[in-house]
Amino acid sequence: SQQGEEDPQALSIQEGENATMNCSYKTSINNLQWYRQNSGRGLVHLILIRSNEREKHSGRLRVTLDTSKKSSSLLITASRAADTASYFCATTVSGTYKYIFGTGTRLKVLA
Amino acid sequence: EAGVVQSPRYKIIEKKQPVAFWCNPISGHNTLYWYRQNLGQGLELLIRYENEEAVDDSQLPKDRFSAERLKGVDSTLKIQPAELGDSAVYLCASSLDADTQETQYFGPGTRLLVL
Repeated sequence: SQQGEEDPQALSIQEGENATMNCSYKTSINNLQWYRQNSGRGLVHLILIRSNEREKHSGRLRVTLDTSKKSSSLLITASRAADTASYFCATTVSGTYKYIFGTGTRLKVLA
Repeated sequence: EAGVVQSPRYKIIEKKQPVAFWCNPISGHNTLYWYRQNLGQGLELLIRYENEEAVDDSQLPKDRFSAERLKGVDSTLKIQPAELGDSAVYLCASSLDADTQETQYFGPGTRLLVL
């Protein structure tokens, strides 16, 4: 498996429900970022969590980081149809400028 | 403020033909990245520039791929000759500098189809 694997690969929920996506990684990291990609578009940065942080909020987004388990989760509360997109985690390996993107979770929010 | 601009948005070519992609990063951004994204997959870093210097090109297939960033602003990525397996979306991103705390801003990508 590769650094930055998201789980599940695909998720389909009803509007108003919460969506949870997970990311696992292998190395020590400086920080972990979550990005969103709408179909046919570039990636948009959502949130960054540093290696010494455990939880971070931004609007309807909540990110947790567990460095002991080398995992992170992204929670989107009260989902909307507009949240339909692919979500990627990106880790930066400690001591480097190297970014590693995961394979993404495809989220579909049904109206 | 304009975001990262890429052109063309779509390109269809026959195998063995050359192809070039262009990227204009956000003004003032010193760091520029080229990524390749295969269908339904994550991003693979091809090359990273600090100003005009390529500081990480370890993943760039140098037998057929080349890149340049003249004057540390715009960048071009070239494939010559293209192969069927090169079909993918090529994404350009920029950030203020290489600090990993910095957000990367992505362009819309160039979708390449090699027939």
